[in-house]
Amino acid sequence: ETGVTQSPTHLIKTRGQQVTLRCSSQSGHNTVSWYQQALGQGPQFIFQYYREEENGRGNFPPRFSGLQFPNYSSELNVNALELDDSALYLCASSLDRQPQHFGDGTRLSIL
Amino acid sequence: TQLLEQSPQFLSIQEGENLTVYCNSSSVFSSLQWYRQEPGEGPVLLVTVVTGGEVKKLKRLTFQFGDARKDSSLHITAAQPGDTGLYLCAGASSETSYDKVIFGPGTSLSVIP
Repeated sequence: ETGVTQSPTHLIKTRGQQVTLRCSSQSGHNTVSWYQQALGQGPQFIFQYYREEENGRGNFPPRFSGLQFPNYSSELNVNALELDDSALYLCASSLDRQPQHFGDGTRLSIL
Repeated sequence: TQLLEQSPQFLSIQEGENLTVYCNSSSVFSSLQWYRQEPGEGPVLLVTVVTGGEVKKLKRLTFQFGDARKDSSLHITAAQPGDTGLYLCAGASSETSYDKVIFGPGTSLSVIP
């Protein structure tokens, strides 16, 4: 059974740039959720995708957007990057509302 | 807005000691999950508690869900260096969904050999 994998593991960008983060869900899972975890804090829910449709969104601006593909993998896109976007971005997958399995995250640094 | 608080924020203890960390809210949750996160890794689910007053044990870890389902505790007996990590509680408000949760800020535990 393949777990949740995220790429890249680390990324450095500058303010105003755009970034795409990728996530492959665990085999058999149909739901992907994205979280932002700032240093020293718990993960904050960004949004969730279920069978390619957005299925809930947290308190994040529209410049945070996502996609889920037919194989249930997912992308998180962030436009117009700001310094406060520096964080660990976590992807989690699940099957039909069961508890999630997390990937190891992408560490994004904004200069 | 549902919020979860965790205490203490940081905890440093000697190997062999016992400890308890707490997760509290003013809101009722249908279930509560505990995760452990190690540096450079994602959170790993330890347990899900669903029923008020429920107690679950996982080796040296004991988890309890409050009777009113607003709070939870994690007790570790005879802590070991391998227990070091960030302990996160996460609450679900839907009785049919375990994958839409809000997280607390975490308790960072350091067990010194």
